[in-house]
Amino acid sequence: KNQVEQSPQSLIILEGKNCTLQCNYTVSPFSNLRWYKQDTGRGPVSLTIMTFSENTKSNGRYTATLDADTKQSSLHITASQLSDSASYICVVRTKAAGNKLTFGGGTRVLVKP
Amino acid sequence: DGGITQSPKYLFRKEGQNVTLSCEQNLNHDAMYWYRQDPGQGLRLIYYSQIVNDFQKGDIAEGYSVSREKKESFPLTVTSAQKNPTAFYLCASRAPMNTEAFFGQGTRLTVV
Repeated sequence: KNQVEQSPQSLIILEGKNCTLQCNYTVSPFSNLRWYKQDTGRGPVSLTIMTFSENTKSNGRYTATLDADTKQSSLHITASQLSDSASYICVVRTKAAGNKLTFGGGTRVLVKP
Repeated sequence: DGGITQSPKYLFRKEGQNVTLSCEQNLNHDAMYWYRQDPGQGLRLIYYSQIVNDFQKGDIAEGYSVSREKKESFPLTVTSAQKNPTAFYLCASRAPMNTEAFFGQGTRLTVV
């Protein structure tokens, strides 16, 4: 069964500190993996996309990694800001018919001053 | 501005009533999707449409219905058969050959 598991479920960090979110998946065959940021009560917005051949990709203070062998991805937030408070969702697309998306449950991040 | 618009943002429904959630996009995307989001859970696919006048059931279609009469519009009806309709509903669209799904701002439905 295709699954995407994220950890931790939630975390609290102080402004200016770094944090790393984890995503493990069993989706197969793998097409790509996206990290989305979802502010409370809003729709998700794409942060970055990782394909099979990519190991690291950055978008400002967000850096995503992908290990396709172990089927793990991480999202690192550097020098966190209050505006980083949101849910971060890992989404994996399969190459199978329909290009189905499988969503993780998200990690809720709260940045405190 | 191009985008995908959901309305209303908040919706209250009495038990036993049907209610329709609106989703409109002016991105010229062929594919549109409806997801349900519950606290602590990943988004679950309700229905999707790859092209006008065609739609397919997702993983949790029971108690829901959709139509796709126009490319721009993909309304979702939550029927009285849906036993636990209180949730946050997200609509998304995607262009052909593009892997990114663009989401609306969501509709929070509460059954009272």
